[in-house]
Amino acid sequence: EAQVTQNPRYLITVTGKKLTVTCSQNMNHEYMSWYRQDPGLGLRQIYYSMNVEVTDKGDVPEGYKVSRKEKRNFPLILESPSPNQTSLYFCASSPHGQGSYEQYFGPGTRLTVT
Amino acid sequence: AQKVTQAQTEISVVEKEDVTLDCVYETRDTTYYLFWYKQPPSGELVFLIRRNSFDEQNEISGRYSWNFQKSTSSFNFTITASQVVDSAVYFCALSEDERGSSASKIIFGSGTRLSIRP
Repeated sequence: EAQVTQNPRYLITVTGKKLTVTCSQNMNHEYMSWYRQDPGLGLRQIYYSMNVEVTDKGDVPEGYKVSRKEKRNFPLILESPSPNQTSLYFCASSPHGQGSYEQYFGPGTRLTVT
Repeated sequence: AQKVTQAQTEISVVEKEDVTLDCVYETRDTTYYLFWYKQPPSGELVFLIRRNSFDEQNEISGRYSWNFQKSTSSFNFTITASQVVDSAVYFCALSEDERGSSASKIIFGSGTRLSIRP
């Protein structure tokens, strides 16, 4: 089944404890992206990648890191999480190396930082 | 800079009514792409439509229709004869051509929560 998977789906952590949210897609898509969703703000793009080893900042990259060593995986790293990073996170992928095609979203990861 | 405005935060209508969700965008590029996504109460995000800036034809898909007007920078979404299953948050989004300065960054609006009452 074509899909985007994220792990974990739910995570409660403490301030400063490094964490990684994994994202994987099995559709051979070139474009991948991370978003956070907050009430009243919609989805805001954190980072995106147009292909392996090509990543770029979205609108809200502060406090996050990403890597794209393989086409299928695009992990989101929070080196020192803070409470303002409590949010619902979505990973997405899209065919071709552009953001101009429809995106396929993962199920979301709800992160709480205390 | 890119911007997407969905001024309607929440809309509530009675089943079978028609409802229009507004989306106004800002971009300096001549080549761009507009999208609508649906987020039902279960939380997943579902793609509905993609439109490029050179195609101003309106689109109809069943009870859904989209009106793209470059003159007013709007890409509105109408649901005809609404049903309870249409209850969801709907997001409009904008992406500029990857050759533009914003590369493949994607901007979403803040969403419109649509409630359809039986």
